[in-house]
Amino acid sequence: DAGITQSPRHKVTETGTPVTLRCHQTENHRYMYWYRQDPGHGLRLIHYSYGVKDTDKGEVSDGYSVSRSKTEDFLLTLESATSSQTSVYFCAISGGESYNEQFFGPGTRLTVL
Amino acid sequence: AQSVAQPEDQVNVAEGNPLTVKCTYSVSGNPYLFWYVQYPNRGLQFLLKYITGDNLVKGSYGFEAEFNKSQTSFHLKKPSALVSDSALYFCAVRDGGRSSASKIIFGSGTRLSIRP
Repeated sequence: DAGITQSPRHKVTETGTPVTLRCHQTENHRYMYWYRQDPGHGLRLIHYSYGVKDTDKGEVSDGYSVSRSKTEDFLLTLESATSSQTSVYFCAISGGESYNEQFFGPGTRLTVL
Repeated sequence: AQSVAQPEDQVNVAEGNPLTVKCTYSVSGNPYLFWYVQYPNRGLQFLLKYITGDNLVKGSYGFEAEFNKSQTSFHLKKPSALVSDSALYFCAVRDGGRSSASKIIFGSGTRLSIRP
């Protein structure tokens, strides 16, 4: 999975609790992305980053925040988790010689009860 | 706004037969087009891309895709299907006229099932 790790890989939490997912890359790529995957919706972009401390919203950003203090780490935070945020979350990176395509991490399965 | 459509939720093919997974797109500038494959409990894997040049693009695992500008399509093909090709396939598009940070939009996915 192209030097990308995500942690945790699985998490079960309760409604109203904060949750932070971590994406770590060893490729030194400039761009990082967070997606959620839900049946019938494909992948939808939550937030993305185009450099350290530079982030922007995607199409489904409500209820999520991100931070990128180092090139290699991109954190996704659910401030107060809701059942609608139960999903599989994927991190992706792009940059270097292959800046057009994105490479994906293994995913985090999050269940909000 | 850019968009991509995969009109078939599922495609069923017998092993050894040719396969096609359809994709159409809409983008205001030059389209950058991609195909990804997802195996169960895995992330998406990049298969191939079209940026410019030859309309027939060859990628991993014997897959190829044909860019058709007039029909705004980018169908994925393989001459002879294998059971191991069974997976979820995603088409994606980016507006090539925008910056490198511009977003890739993914289709909803097509499940390919190859029967022995």
